[in-house]
Amino acid sequence: EIVLTQSPGTLSLSPGEGVTLSCRASQSVTSRYLAWYQRKPGQAPRLLIYGASNRATGIPDRFSGSGSGTDFTLTISRLEPEDFAVYYCQQYGSSPYTFGQGTKLEIK
Amino acid sequence: QVQLQQWGAGLLKPSETLSLTCVVYGGSFSGYYWSWIRQTPEKGLEWIGEGHHSGSTNYNPSLKSRVTISVDTSKNQFSLKLSSVTAADTAVYYCARGRYSVRGIIISINDYWGQGTLVTVSS
Repeated sequence: EIVLTQSPGTLSLSPGEGVTLSCRASQSVTSRYLAWYQRKPGQAPRLLIYGASNRATGIPDRFSGSGSGTDFTLTISRLEPEDFAVYYCQQYGSSPYTFGQGTKLEIK
Repeated sequence: QVQLQQWGAGLLKPSETLSLTCVVYGGSFSGYYWSWIRQTPEKGLEWIGEGHHSGSTNYNPSLKSRVTISVDTSKNQFSLKLSSVTAADTAVYYCARGRYSVRGIIISINDYWGQGTLVTVSS
């Protein structure tokens, strides 16, 4: 199975700052089938990005994804207070569809 | 507006069978794979498997011997059964609208989720 490693584990930032999160796969992700999710306490994950770079419906354009092969990134251009959460990547090109362990964005 | 609503027993004893159901309101039911995903503090998010109205299923090999996902198109529902549970199966379980393909290309994945069900396995 493909192992996804996210870095860093935790980031402390201030609203207004920009951030780039990393997701590295143990082998190439088929057809850029890489998704990003946001999870807040007590809520289900929310799809942000699919196909490595496509924003899901209703997702603000401050969120962008890029990458291919084994290296993917999620960029948030200007952090809003509601963006502080845990972010997960998932590959769905090879079964089992695996998730990264998450990156927590916390307010500095 | 697509909504997924899930239900099932939240407290089980070791060796029992976990049973959860998810009903889908709105949107198309056929054509999608319907997924189950769980979250634990130790392992994070774990994909359990998916089912399709055609009867096709796909399971995580780590759980395959104990998992059954069934899809009922007449009720717009799908279900998860996980047999012989242990404390390691304690988790929040989510249903989700899984992958949808057009001409072999996946164009959506896990875009709608249920509210989650905390399942605790304890004697």
